[in-house]
Amino acid sequence: IQLTQSPSSLSASVGDRVTITCRASQGISNYLAWYQQKPGKAPNLLIYAASTLQSGVPSRFSGSGSGTDFTLTISSLQPEDFATYYCQQLNSYPYTFGQGTKLEIK
Amino acid sequence: EVQVVESGGALVQPGRSLRLSCAASGFTFNDYAMHWVRQAPGKGLEWVSGISWNSGSIGYADSVKGRFTISRDNAKNSLYLQMNTLRAEDTALYYCAKTARDGGDYYGMDVWGQGTTVTVSS
Repeated sequence: IQLTQSPSSLSASVGDRVTITCRASQGISNYLAWYQQKPGKAPNLLIYAASTLQSGVPSRFSGSGSGTDFTLTISSLQPEDFATYYCQQLNSYPYTFGQGTKLEIK
Repeated sequence: EVQVVESGGALVQPGRSLRLSCAASGFTFNDYAMHWVRQAPGKGLEWVSGISWNSGSIGYADSVKGRFTISRDNAKNSLYLQMNTLRAEDTALYYCAKTARDGGDYYGMDVWGQGTTVTVSS
């Protein structure tokens, strides 16, 4: 199963609302997770089951979707949110990641 | 503290073998599936392999199938990745990751190590 994220990169300002899309090559129900990765650090789980916020993750992050189309939304960007975001399908082996979306400061 | 710590990374020649280890602590290791994820320099994340709590379900990325073998020793709270016939394209930082909840991978991976570096070069 291939995952295609869009856009690959995105420039935005603090306070902006941003949306990242992840499309699966076949249906995966809601077996999708989102991660944030900052330079030199391991990934951090944000959302699982497409829309459930991981404990400790700020509520400005939200996820939606089912089947083949998914979105990650950050409602009001904060300085610490500038990072790279990845989706991952957990429906069937081999699990796969999207290619990543780099969120940069405008 | 819940943590996983990888070790075993090294500089190796193409065609050689290497074994990575991941030591887990702070949680009941034998309740959770575990995974290896790698990241080549400047590139994105690539899921490599995963193993269920009892080793009954194992999966591999197509890029490593037949060359890499994942295993675990629940008595030692340890996860392993045996890498054979290494190629230049296997050069990456290798992360060990824990599934967020027991019973399956549905909930994503919530604990990651700092990674161990594998460099394949002559």
